[in-house]
Amino acid sequence: AQKVTQAQTEISVVEKEDVTLDCVYETRDTTYYLFWYKQPPSGELVFLIRRNSFDEQNEISGRYSWNFQKSTSSFNFTITASQVVDSAVYFCALPKNYGGSQGNLIFGKGTKLSVKP
Amino acid sequence: NAGVTQTPKFQVLKTGQSMTLQCAQDMNHNSMYWYRQDPGMGLRLIYYSASEGTTDKGEVPNGYNVSRLNKREFSLRLESAAPSQTSVYFCASSEMGHNEQFFGPGTRLTVL
Repeated sequence: AQKVTQAQTEISVVEKEDVTLDCVYETRDTTYYLFWYKQPPSGELVFLIRRNSFDEQNEISGRYSWNFQKSTSSFNFTITASQVVDSAVYFCALPKNYGGSQGNLIFGKGTKLSVKP
Repeated sequence: NAGVTQTPKFQVLKTGQSMTLQCAQDMNHNSMYWYRQDPGMGLRLIYYSASEGTTDKGEVPNGYNVSRLNKREFSLRLESAAPSQTSVYFCASSEMGHNEQFFGPGTRLTVL
């Protein structure tokens, strides 16, 4: 069965520290996508990235980077030089059924990141 | 573009009352979804619609019904609200099943 585990429930850092959020997944699919979403205190869910299992290259977008390792079934998210505005709950997600293209996402339980000034 | 819109933003119901949560998207997406978010549980799928005219149950469908009114609109109905349905409800849409989903702002529902 598809499963997403975010073992870190809460993380607290001081501004400008680097922080890595872990995501470990289980899937029977040979081809799949992985997602990260951000939920700031205002409550909306913001899409951050989609990664195809074919592509294991690290992705960098400004202060954000993602490390996808198929061998360990992990898709970790690093924020460099964290800022107070990064404070949010971050969710990793995996589609339930790629082959059927149903798209219903299986979400991890989220990691709450608090960045203190 | 407004993206995904949901109404209402907040709602308080008494046990046994019914209501419909409305969702609309203006991105011409084929697939639409309803999730609920509860503390410590992450988001769980209630129902989804892979394309206009189809709907399917998700992980937690009991107590809910849905209607895919047209390509733009996907409503969620609670026929007889229960306190266990107190939650934040999110609607989402995507171009196709494996594309990224875009979420509405959510509806905070309290059932007394």
